[in-house]
Amino acid sequence: NAGVTQTPKFQVLKTGQSMTLQCAQDMNHEYMSWYRQDPGMGLRLIHYSVGAGITDQGEVPNGYNVSRSTTEDFPLRLLSAAPSQTSVYFCASSRWTGRDTDTQYFGPGTRLTVL
Amino acid sequence: KNEVEQSPQNLTAQEGEFITINCSYSVGISALHWLQQHPGGGIVSLFMLSSGKKKHGRLIATINIQEKHSSLHITASHPRDSAVYICAVLSHVSNDMRFGAGTRLTVKP
Repeated sequence: NAGVTQTPKFQVLKTGQSMTLQCAQDMNHEYMSWYRQDPGMGLRLIHYSVGAGITDQGEVPNGYNVSRSTTEDFPLRLLSAAPSQTSVYFCASSRWTGRDTDTQYFGPGTRLTVL
Repeated sequence: KNEVEQSPQNLTAQEGEFITINCSYSVGISALHWLQQHPGGGIVSLFMLSSGKKKHGRLIATINIQEKHSSLHITASHPRDSAVYICAVLSHVSNDMRFGAGTRLTVKP
């Protein structure tokens, strides 16, 4: 099993550009989520999904879009990049019981810089 | 006030010491997670708790649902335990994860 994979590992964008961060898992996990981690701050939830076709907003959703057309993939789209979106982005997945999650598996992260 | 508070923010210990990291939360939860993030950046799940106590090697995690508090203990600490330890809770209302700011642990040989 590859676990949770994220691409790219590093990305530099100019203000206003758009891009998609890819996240995939091969564990048949229902629950997938995107987080950003900024220096000196804890992880913050951007969007999450409890299954294919279902997505919901987290704490900091503005400027980001997600979709969940398959169980395996949960891409994060930056619509018009801003310097404030410079961060390290983590994707995670876990089983979902309908009431709570199981062990969270994290991807290696994507370091994004917006100039 | 953050919904998930961790203490201490920073902790320095000598090898062999017993370590305790605390987490208090103010929302109703379905589960609480303890995560470890090493300086390289990777995040690993240590425990998922909904009640009681779990033990894995030298790590012990406890949760008191009534008091909305959890503790992570490390026995016989070792320099390789140096990392940031993060408490996270799953809200039982909205099913989203909320995180503490993390505790940076340094264990000196």
